[in-house]
Amino acid sequence: AQTVTQSQPEMSVQEAETVTLSCTYDTSESNYYLFWYKQPPSRQMILVIRQEAYKQQNATENRFSVNFQKAAKSFSLKISDSQLGDTAMYFCAFMKAEKLVFGKGTKLTVNP
Amino acid sequence: NAGVMQNPRHLVRRRGQEARLRCSPMKGHSHVYWYRQLPEEGLKFMVYLQKENIIDESGMPKERFSAEFPKEGPSILRIQQVVRGDSAAYFCASSPGRTSTNEKLFFGSGTQLSVL
Repeated sequence: AQTVTQSQPEMSVQEAETVTLSCTYDTSESNYYLFWYKQPPSRQMILVIRQEAYKQQNATENRFSVNFQKAAKSFSLKISDSQLGDTAMYFCAFMKAEKLVFGKGTKLTVNP
Repeated sequence: NAGVMQNPRHLVRRRGQEARLRCSPMKGHSHVYWYRQLPEEGLKFMVYLQKENIIDESGMPKERFSAEFPKEGPSILRIQQVVRGDSAAYFCASSPGRTSTNEKLFFGSGTQLSVL
């Protein structure tokens, strides 16, 4: 069974600084997708970034980038130039066969 | 193009009552997924449906829970004889095709079910 582990329940960062959120996963599959979702207090699930496992190049979306280490089964999210609006829960997720498996989340607070 | 619409946003039920949660997927989307989020947890997969068909219900509790996605109208997640442990946020997501073929998944804002 696939599992996703986020070892940091809470993190904080100063506005304009950089923060990295950790995620590891366990699977025997060779082809899959990995995601980071943001959940602000509004509860809306917002896709931040997506990575296909067969692509070696790390995905990037504006201030958000990932460090994907397939052999280590690690998928960390880096947020550059943190903004107050980045304050939210962040969930790492693994997809195979139409199902997303989520980690328990990291609560990120951006301080002014 | 409106996003995935879920209603109601909040639903309060007493133990033993029925809860019906509705999800209207984005226009043109024929694949619907339901997830449940318990407090302090990530979302957990419940069921995957296409129009008029249940494709994968491996995450659904065996009793009291059912889901449908009729040819016309929204997808419905139905919980009979609710218990306090059913209190959670229930999320619906939709996609135009199978997400394993690189289609993107879009989430609704969820329905918070509270069982008194």
